[in-house]
Amino acid sequence: DAGVTQSPTHLIKTRGQQVTLRCSPKSGHDTVSWYQQALGQGPQFIFQYYEEEERQRGNFPDRFSGHQFPNYSSELNVNALLLGDSALYLCASSPWIRRDQPQHFGDGTRLSIL
Amino acid sequence: DAKTTQPPSMDCAEGRAANLPCNHSTISGNEYVYWYRQIHSQGPQYIIHGLKNNETNEMASLIITEDRKSSTLILPHATLRDTAVYYCTVPYGSSNTGKLIFGQGTTLQVKP
Repeated sequence: DAGVTQSPTHLIKTRGQQVTLRCSPKSGHDTVSWYQQALGQGPQFIFQYYEEEERQRGNFPDRFSGHQFPNYSSELNVNALLLGDSALYLCASSPWIRRDQPQHFGDGTRLSIL
Repeated sequence: DAKTTQPPSMDCAEGRAANLPCNHSTISGNEYVYWYRQIHSQGPQYIIHGLKNNETNEMASLIITEDRKSSTLILPHATLRDTAVYYCTVPYGSSNTGKLIFGQGTTLQVKP
């Protein structure tokens, strides 16, 4: 039973570029959440997708956008990259209908902005 | 937003119990408390969660105070592989699949 998988594992971009990160949820999960984790900090919630719609959003600018596909996989897009966007980007999945069940995390994509 | 407070670091001798405290005084009545740990910048690994009652699984035990304003994660026999950052989290939002609020966690160092 595969857990949450993310790709790529590492990525290097320059300021002003755009990036797309991908996530496949754990089998049986239909809800995907994205988090940003800066070095030495706890993860910060970006947004959550269920039924291909953004359900909740954290305090992130519109440069951060997402998408969920019918197979529940998801993408995180970041436009006009800034140096401060360098971080570990984590995807987590959970079952919407079982709201007590924990979110399960992937190992993340390490994004470095030069 | 509901938030959590944890000590920044703790030490524990190998083989002894590690007791990691967390304050979550603004938690709502139907919000669960979730514990995760993170090793070497891997993704957070789920440990245990609870609402009101104490919980135990193969990894740890969770003790929640009666007023639900704090909890303690117990690793009964800590090993060197338990060295990690431990996060106590609560969800924010109308459902428990809402965003998780992470603090800076507790860095647990298990020493031989």
